[in-house]
Amino acid sequence: QKEVEQNSGPLSVPEGAIASLNCTYSDRGSQSFFWYRQYSGKSPELIMSIYSNGDKEDGRFTAQLNKASQYVSLLIRDSQPSDSATYLCAVNSAGKSTFGDGTTLTVKP
Amino acid sequence: EPEVTQTPSHQVTQMGQEVILRCVPISNHLYFYWYRQILGQKVEFLVSFYNNEISEKSEIFDDQFSVERPDGSNFTLKIRSTKLEDSAMYFCASSDKTGGNYGYTFGSGTRLTVV
Repeated sequence: QKEVEQNSGPLSVPEGAIASLNCTYSDRGSQSFFWYRQYSGKSPELIMSIYSNGDKEDGRFTAQLNKASQYVSLLIRDSQPSDSATYLCAVNSAGKSTFGDGTTLTVKP
Repeated sequence: EPEVTQTPSHQVTQMGQEVILRCVPISNHLYFYWYRQILGQKVEFLVSFYNNEISEKSEIFDDQFSVERPDGSNFTLKIRSTKLEDSAMYFCASSDKTGGNYGYTFGSGTRLTVV
């Protein structure tokens, strides 16, 4: 079983729609959870972090965490073409982050 | 905004040669990391470094790899005898005193091509 698993892509949504990205993790001792955005050929960029169960909103982004289900999600509202990228879920435990394979999102104008 | 700086951006080397990848972490960060990403694959942890010693390393980080903080600002990754499968994007990252619990700032990466 993969340590961090993301829903297989690619995901395509029209401009203005909500994009939903999902992630599950296997280590129940994980403490911190992150979403990174990675444009093609670039380095990952931290866009959201969440530490406790529930929702966390930052602008058009909402991260959701359910530790009992070992599930993390990212919602992107009013998706823009500039949101087209690969989104990486990362789970931190024992001082290091483990990344999922990523979900590639395309937002079509 | 503070940045993590990596040099060179691209390095081509012959198989069996030694390479040194360089990083300047954010100045007030205390935790440093190397990750790599083979083309089309996920970001993989190599090593973490704190207080001038390795905190944790992955199975990838074998005896061919070493890290060093030679002068208080630079953080280097050395690969002693490169193999074809070492071809990847290598990312340096740093985090604040809480050891990555608030996420990383990644450098722009070094693309290593072993021929």
